[in-house]
Amino acid sequence: GENVEQHPSTLSVQEGDSAVIKCTYSDSASNYFPWYKQELGKRPQLIIDIRSNVGEKKDQRIAVTLNKTAKHFSLHITETQPEDSAVYFCAAIITGNQFYFGTGTSLTVIP
Amino acid sequence: GAVVSQHPSWVICKSGTSVKIECRSLDFQATTMFWYRQFPKQSLMLMATSNEGSKATYEQGVEKDKFLINHASLTLSTLTVTSAHPEDSSFYICSAQPGGLYEQYFGPGTRLTVT
Repeated sequence: GENVEQHPSTLSVQEGDSAVIKCTYSDSASNYFPWYKQELGKRPQLIIDIRSNVGEKKDQRIAVTLNKTAKHFSLHITETQPEDSAVYFCAAIITGNQFYFGTGTSLTVIP
Repeated sequence: GAVVSQHPSWVICKSGTSVKIECRSLDFQATTMFWYRQFPKQSLMLMATSNEGSKATYEQGVEKDKFLINHASLTLSTLTVTSAHPEDSSFYICSAQPGGLYEQYFGPGTRLTVT
């Protein structure tokens, strides 16, 4: 099966700086890569996703890049704000029913 | 759009009793629903996948007789924790997937405490 690794497990940045979270996956059949943000005690929210036929996708301050050859994808948050503080999960999907989540990154944005 | 509700949001029960958690897709039909368990500061652990009208597929290590899942309609799935024990205390989250799409939409979660 698929194995998704996520790094770092914790990340602290100063407000206004950028944050980068990386995930690697093992199964080349994975073709959909969403990122979720989860605030304490709340549900995970889809913030951005990318499909295997695209190398990069951007939505305002958030971007995701995918390197299929190296089997890794990254979340980039620019101009971080305190409300970006949360746990972020990546996932790799082989088929619609096979979701494999990363272990999560706890991001703290220091005002 | 794509709203998923979960009920109850939190529940306290005594050891040995059963608890039912409901997951509803409010504005779309969910051909597939997932049930996750999440421990503090940890990732989502998939418990089972259910498709409407068929038996759920349980992940390895999840007792299907203890965690009963029913997906009776395209908008409702239920998870029943039978004969609950304190070690079953956790945050349970469901998600729903519209037919033909990869995206999952999560419910708000249910905090279960077994005393």
